[in-house]
Amino acid sequence: DTGVSQDPRHKITKRGQNVTFRCDPISEHNRLYWYRQTLGQGPEFLTYFQNEAQLEKSRLLSDRFSAERPKGSFSTLEIQRTEQGDSAMYLCASSLAGLDTQYFGPGTRLTVL
Amino acid sequence: AQTVTQSQPEMSVQEAETVTLSCTYDTSESDYYLFWYKQPPSRQMILVIRQEAYKQQNATENRFSVNFQKAAKSFSLKISDSQLGDAAMYFCAYAGNNRKLIWGLGTSLAVNP
Repeated sequence: DTGVSQDPRHKITKRGQNVTFRCDPISEHNRLYWYRQTLGQGPEFLTYFQNEAQLEKSRLLSDRFSAERPKGSFSTLEIQRTEQGDSAMYLCASSLAGLDTQYFGPGTRLTVL
Repeated sequence: AQTVTQSQPEMSVQEAETVTLSCTYDTSESDYYLFWYKQPPSRQMILVIRQEAYKQQNATENRFSVNFQKAAKSFSLKISDSQLGDAAMYFCAYAGNNRKLIWGLGTSLAVNP
């Protein structure tokens, strides 16, 4: 029984570059969530999917951020024209609708130079 | 809007002793879940325990138990027989109707041998 996986685990990029992260949820889970966590803070919600539908997107998320979940399986989070303020840990979680406990992946740590 | 407050940025406990971490929340919803997650240094978020708001009985999970006071909107975590491996950041989280998690700022727990 594999858990949530995320790739890459670490990403260093230069300001202005685009980056894409991938999340593979627990296989039978139909909900998938993205959170961002900066140092010393709790995670903050970015967006979530039920199957392939993106049901909510945080107002904190600028137009530079986009997420997809084609076919309701894995998800990608893309950040365009990265800024230093985007440096954070990006966490992915999945759950089964109705049971509502979210299980987290190891995260992708992004550093924007 | 819902909020979660953890008023203890840091706590410490002697190995084998008991420690209680505090959490309060604010909501107008009647159907919600509360969670405690553990995040060891540089490691992923792990579910410790969950509580459904409609259940009066406090959740327990081995050495971990909660004191859920719904009227007071309080949700504290008690760790009994503390072990060195319990050292981590502990986050209290709330999930309401849309099931996205709203997080406190966390409590850093040190376990002294």
